[in-house]
Amino acid sequence: AQSVTQLGSHVSVSEGALVLLRCNYSSSVPPYLFWYVQYPNQGLQLLLKYTTGATLVKGINGFEAEFKKSETSFHLTKPSAHMSDAAEYFCAVSPNSGNTPLVFGKGTRLSVIA
Amino acid sequence: KAGVTQTPRYLIKTRGQQVTLSCSPISGHRSVSWYQQTPGQGLQFLFEYFSETQRNKGNFPGRFSGRQFSNSRSEMNVSTLELGDSALYLCASSYSPPDEKLFFGSGTQLSVL
Repeated sequence: AQSVTQLGSHVSVSEGALVLLRCNYSSSVPPYLFWYVQYPNQGLQLLLKYTTGATLVKGINGFEAEFKKSETSFHLTKPSAHMSDAAEYFCAVSPNSGNTPLVFGKGTRLSVIA
Repeated sequence: KAGVTQTPRYLIKTRGQQVTLSCSPISGHRSVSWYQQTPGQGLQFLFEYFSETQRNKGNFPGRFSGRQFSNSRSEMNVSTLELGDSALYLCASSYSPPDEKLFFGSGTQLSVL
């Protein structure tokens, strides 16, 4: 069975500072990994995904994530935080057979301080 | 291209009532999934439909049910509502499974009093 752990339910950074949101997963088979973002009063939007190939994945809005199999991690980073990045971020995992639904982490709320 | 549309946006019900939520997927998408989002449990998978057939089901009681119509629109129903059913219910669509690139609607916020 797959599971996702997001370390830190709330992360606060200053505008212009590095954003690092942590995600560790558990999967018995090679996984597909995802980061989604949810802005207030909206649904989730896909930021980026890793399926196979290059382990450093670039997404929208300047975010990127690196798949590290040895650490079972898929941390999300952005070099310089912007006020508009304030939102809730969800990491998700699925086996790469694609026959079972995504399993989401509990989310990390990102606050950006001016 | 219109996104995933969920109606209604807000619902207030009392315990014991039943409720039906609606989801219209993006045009051309044939797969619809439903998730329950609560502050304590996060996002929990309810069920997934593809071509009018339930493809996967999460660990929810039988009070939670769903269906998909021939035009890919989907409904979910919750009978005998309990206080703990208060949540944001999110619908997501994709072209066809397996496809994890989900497009989410804004959700229906259900409050059970």
